[in-house]
Amino acid sequence: RKEVEQDPGPFNVPEGATVAFNCTYSNSASQSFFWYRQDCRKEPKLLMSVYSSGNEDGRFTAQLNRASQYISLLIRDSKLSDSATYLCVVNVKDYKLSFGAGTTVTVRA
Amino acid sequence: NAGVTQTPKFRILKIGQSMTLQCTQDMNHNYMYWYRQDPGMGLKLIYYSVGAGITDKGEVPNGYNVSRSTTEDFPLRLELAAPSQTSVYFCASSYYGALTSSYNEQFFGPGTRLTVL
Repeated sequence: RKEVEQDPGPFNVPEGATVAFNCTYSNSASQSFFWYRQDCRKEPKLLMSVYSSGNEDGRFTAQLNRASQYISLLIRDSKLSDSATYLCVVNVKDYKLSFGAGTTVTVRA
Repeated sequence: NAGVTQTPKFRILKIGQSMTLQCTQDMNHNYMYWYRQDPGMGLKLIYYSVGAGITDKGEVPNGYNVSRSTTEDFPLRLELAAPSQTSVYFCASSYYGALTSSYNEQFFGPGTRLTVL
C-alpha cells in the first residue's frame, strides 16, 4: 500500500465553483500534514499546513480525519489561478515527508 | 534571503557521463533532501541529511551520491549517467520547530531538469 494516495483527477470546474478532494495515508503515527501546490514544471510550494481541528486560509479549507486516515482540501469560489496540481504530504518519520502523486485541478472561464 | 537555490537549471548528459547538481540554502536549516520527480509521478526521496557530516539513503539512492560538508550545501553526484536518471531533481530543506516540537514543512529549490541520452 502506498504511504499517501490521491485521486489524480483531473477535476475540471468552472470559475466560481467549489471543488474538494481527499487523500489517504497509511501511517497512523503520522503527525504533520500539508497541502502543497505545484504548477507545471515548477517546484512544489506550501499551500497550507493541516491541523487536527481543521483550518481555513481564505478560500481554502483543510480537514484531517485521523480515525479514517484521510485529509481533505476544499477550494471555494475557484479562480483561474487555482489551476494546478495539489500534493498531499504526510510525515512518515520525524523529518521525512511522503508526497502523494497529486490531484490536478483545472478551472475554466 | 534567496531560500533554496539549485544549479544548473537544465542539463543534457550522455550515457556514462558524470555530473554534480548543486544545492544551497541560506535559511540555516538542519535538514536537507534530494528528490526526483518523473512525469506524472510523485516525488521520490533519493538522499537526505540531518546536519553537516550526516547523510542517509532515501527510497531510490542507486546511482547517486551526496555529501554535506556545511549546513548550507548539499550537492548530489551522478556517476555513470543512465537514461533512467532522466528526471527533474528538486532539493529541499526544513527545520525543527523547538517551540512547537514539530518538524515543519520543506522548502524547495526551483529544480534541475536533467536529460540523459
